[in-house]
Amino acid sequence: GAVVSQHPSWVICKSGTSVKIECRSLDFQATTMFWYRQFPKQSLMLMATSNEGSKATYEQGVEKDKFLINHASLTLSTLTVTSAHPEDSSFYICSALDRWTVFGNGTRLTVT
Amino acid sequence: GENVEQHPSTLSVQEGDSAVIKCTYSDSASNYFPWYKQELGKRPQLIIDIRSNVGEKKDQRIAVTLNKTAKHFSLHITETQPEDSAVYFCAASTGVGGSYIPTFGRGTSLIVHP
Repeated sequence: GAVVSQHPSWVICKSGTSVKIECRSLDFQATTMFWYRQFPKQSLMLMATSNEGSKATYEQGVEKDKFLINHASLTLSTLTVTSAHPEDSSFYICSALDRWTVFGNGTRLTVT
Repeated sequence: GENVEQHPSTLSVQEGDSAVIKCTYSDSASNYFPWYKQELGKRPQLIIDIRSNVGEKKDQRIAVTLNKTAKHFSLHITETQPEDSAVYFCAASTGVGGSYIPTFGRGTSLIVHP
């Protein structure tokens, strides 16, 4: 079946640095990918919709200059958390749209 | 746009009991309703789904019902086991260009006590 690989699975970074998270569709082409943020024991919060070859569509309240999304190919979308702060610590999950939604493994980001 | 409400937010049951999670949706055009199970720190996994042309679907201890008129659908887990403990998300989707883009409910944390 369709597989989405998300990397890294966890990352610890210092406050003020930037972190890039990759989301790859391994055996299908995904023109649309989604990025979610999830706090402990809370729901998936859609951050943005990433469309190959065009600008991402951000949800209300999500800072596009802080959470940079690039979807340069049909199999790769990246999320860069710029100038990370401790409040950005969270679980970030991507999903790709085949016929159905396929989730990545998620990335646990801890900003110290 | 679509709005999905999910209840309860937490559900605590004894092993062997049944658990029911309910969702409502707002967009009558939604025609595909998947349910996901998410264990702590892991990706959501699709456990069962139902299309709008079906009223009920069952897979072993898990069943889903759909009432299109009332715009609600439910997940039923019978004979619950401790390994059923997880967060469950419902979603409502409308097919767009051959794909189904989901709107998720807020999730239900199910705790099964041994």
